[in-house]
Amino acid sequence: DQQVKQNSPSLSVQEGRISILNCDYTNSMFDYFLWYKKYPAEGPTFLISISSIKDKNEDGRFTVFLNKSAKHLSLHIVPSQPGDSAVYFCAASARRGGNTGKLIFGQGTTLQVKP
Amino acid sequence: GAVVSQHPSRVICKSGTSVKIECRSLDFQATTMFWYRQFPKQSLMLMATSNEGSKATYEQGVEKDKFLINHASLTLSTLTVTSAHPEDSSFYICSAREASSGANVLTFGAGSRLTVL
Repeated sequence: DQQVKQNSPSLSVQEGRISILNCDYTNSMFDYFLWYKKYPAEGPTFLISISSIKDKNEDGRFTVFLNKSAKHLSLHIVPSQPGDSAVYFCAASARRGGNTGKLIFGQGTTLQVKP
Repeated sequence: GAVVSQHPSRVICKSGTSVKIECRSLDFQATTMFWYRQFPKQSLMLMATSNEGSKATYEQGVEKDKFLINHASLTLSTLTVTSAHPEDSSFYICSAREASSGANVLTFGAGSRLTVL
C-alpha cells in the first residue's frame, strides 16, 4: 500500500524555467510533509517542509504547495538550475498519535535541468 | 547544522557472513534513529525505529532476527545484517532527528551500499 505516491519517475526542464514536482498521498492522518533531495550514492538532504495548517511555504527558489482536499502537494523550483538535477523525494508524517520522526516516502522523481 | 555519519559507505561481503553498519549523530543527541532501505529506483522504505536503551520497533515484513538493531547510546545506532544473502544487497540509510530542528525534520547519513556476493 503506497501511501505517498510520486507518479512521475522523471522530469526534464530547461535551465531558467520552472520545475514542478508532484506528490499525492492517501492517508488523511498525515499532517506534515517534506521534500528531500538526493544525489547518487548520498543520503537525502532536507529541502523544505509544510505543515497541514498551511497551503504554501516558500524558501528562496523553492515553494511547496499543499492542497489538503485533493491530498496533493507540489514542489516548485524557479528558476531551475543545472545543480538542481537530482532525485526528489516527497515524504509525509503523522505527528498526531506520537509517531514523531517516522516518515513515509514516495518513490522519487528524477529531475534533470538542461543548460 | 546537524550531521549524521554512517560507516562504512560501501561494503562487499560473502554470502553467509554478517555485516555491521554504524550510524552516529556527530553534534547532537538522538534518542531515536531510523533505518531505511532503498532498492534501485525505488522509494526509501522504513525498516525500523531504533530507540536508545530499548528494543527497536520493526516495520511489518522486516525480520528482526535478520536485521539486528542496537542503540547503545544517544549518539550511536548500529544495524547488523546477519547471515547476509545476495537479496540483502541494497542501500541502507540511517537518519536521526535533532530535537531543536523542528518537528519531523530528519537528518540522513550518506548511506551504506551493501553488496553480498
